[in-house]
Amino acid sequence: NAGVTQTPKFQVLKTGQSMTLQCAQDMNHEYMSWYRQDPGMGLRLIHYSVGAGITDQGEVPNGYNVSRSTTEDFPLRLLSAAPSQTSVYFCASSRHVSNTEAFFGQGTRLTVV
Amino acid sequence: QQQVKQSPQSLIVQKGGISIINCAYENTAFDYFPWYQQFPGKGPALLIAIRPDVSEKKEGRFTISFNKSAKQFSLHIMDSQPGDSATYFCAASMDTGRRALTFGSGTRLQVQP
Repeated sequence: NAGVTQTPKFQVLKTGQSMTLQCAQDMNHEYMSWYRQDPGMGLRLIHYSVGAGITDQGEVPNGYNVSRSTTEDFPLRLLSAAPSQTSVYFCASSRHVSNTEAFFGQGTRLTVV
Repeated sequence: QQQVKQSPQSLIVQKGGISIINCAYENTAFDYFPWYQQFPGKGPALLIAIRPDVSEKKEGRFTISFNKSAKQFSLHIMDSQPGDSATYFCAASMDTGRRALTFGSGTRLQVQP
């Protein structure tokens, strides 16, 4: 059982480039979300999904897009990378939309130069 | 607007001592309060969680104390061990609306041997 798998683990982008951070879970969880982690700020919610075909914005959605075509996958797209998007990105999933344990991936460390 | 405030930012405790991390929240609609533990290079993992209908929950050496009237909750780590050295995040969520986790800013705990 792999849990939540994120790829890549590390990425360096130039300003203006686009890329997709991949997230996949094999636990048949309904709820998936993306967070970014910055020093001294904890984890902040970017986008989330309560099921296939349903997504919504979180606290810091600007500059990011998501889609949820399957239960398993929840990719995060950076449209035009900016240095302010340098961060560690975590994908998480939960069994149900109610308050249950969130399982996190190991993160993607993104640097935008 | 920081809805969950966490203190201290960092904490150094001697082996065998008690580690105490505090959090305060503003939104009275929150009804689920988990603590997550994160080791370097890893994603956060659920440590222990509490709902507001109880004032304390204990799991092994870890205890959550919850004060609903003061809108505060804290994590106590008894008999702290070097293996407990990690970053700890408190969080809160509600069972309606977004249902996402709102995290505190984190506490870096170092347990000295």
